[in-house]
Amino acid sequence: QLVLTQSPSAAASLGASVKVTCTLSSGHSSYAIAWHQLQPEKGPRYLMKVNSDGSHTKGDGIPDRFSGSSSGAERYLTISSLQSGDEADYYCQTWGPGIRVFGGGTKLTVL
Amino acid sequence: EVQLLESGGGLVQPGGSLRLSCAASGFTYSSYAMSWVRQAPGRGLEWVSAISGSGDSTYDADSVKGRFTTSRDNSKNTLYLQMSSLRAEDTAIYYCAKMTRPYYDRSGYYCDYWGQGTLVTVSS
Repeated sequence: QLVLTQSPSAAASLGASVKVTCTLSSGHSSYAIAWHQLQPEKGPRYLMKVNSDGSHTKGDGIPDRFSGSSSGAERYLTISSLQSGDEADYYCQTWGPGIRVFGGGTKLTVL
Repeated sequence: EVQLLESGGGLVQPGGSLRLSCAASGFTYSSYAMSWVRQAPGRGLEWVSAISGSGDSTYDADSVKGRFTTSRDNSKNTLYLQMSSLRAEDTAIYYCAKMTRPYYDRSGYYCDYWGQGTLVTVSS
């Protein structure tokens, strides 16, 4: 069964870096995922697609501070030089034959 | 510029019906699949449905199968979600999203643009 697992929360200081993790279920380590940002009172925003080889394709206007990478079944979103505006929920998304799924989301707090 | 504007949300009683619309602009609408995604209060994102660019293929989450119908009018660049037999657990913000392909494609089938959402509240 294709499932995405995310830690419910993450926190980092203003100006620091943070890595958010999305883990694919067993047997699905070759799958790509997409990262989305959901800020309060705003619609979601597509950030990037991350492939199993760590290559990533960013959405329009996504700053260089946002990057993606992979290791095995884990897909990462790294945000550097954290800003207060990065405080949001971050979701990963993937797709398979007959299934479309989101992870449970990670709430990022900027301290 | 891609724009997606949802409408049609509101308060409806359990067992009732509601139709959501999503007006799209800024891209060749018929060339892309579209999806509905929702977020219930205090919960995460849930993929509700998807429809191919031509409208000949749909996907529905188990939670809405048999109750919700997704359709599109490519002459009007509009996506629809017809919801019936609504339940309290359908209360959510409903977002429409543009997909990256006209059909499911193993190499890449995800949302690359989103609307602002419309709130549906199911309550007596």
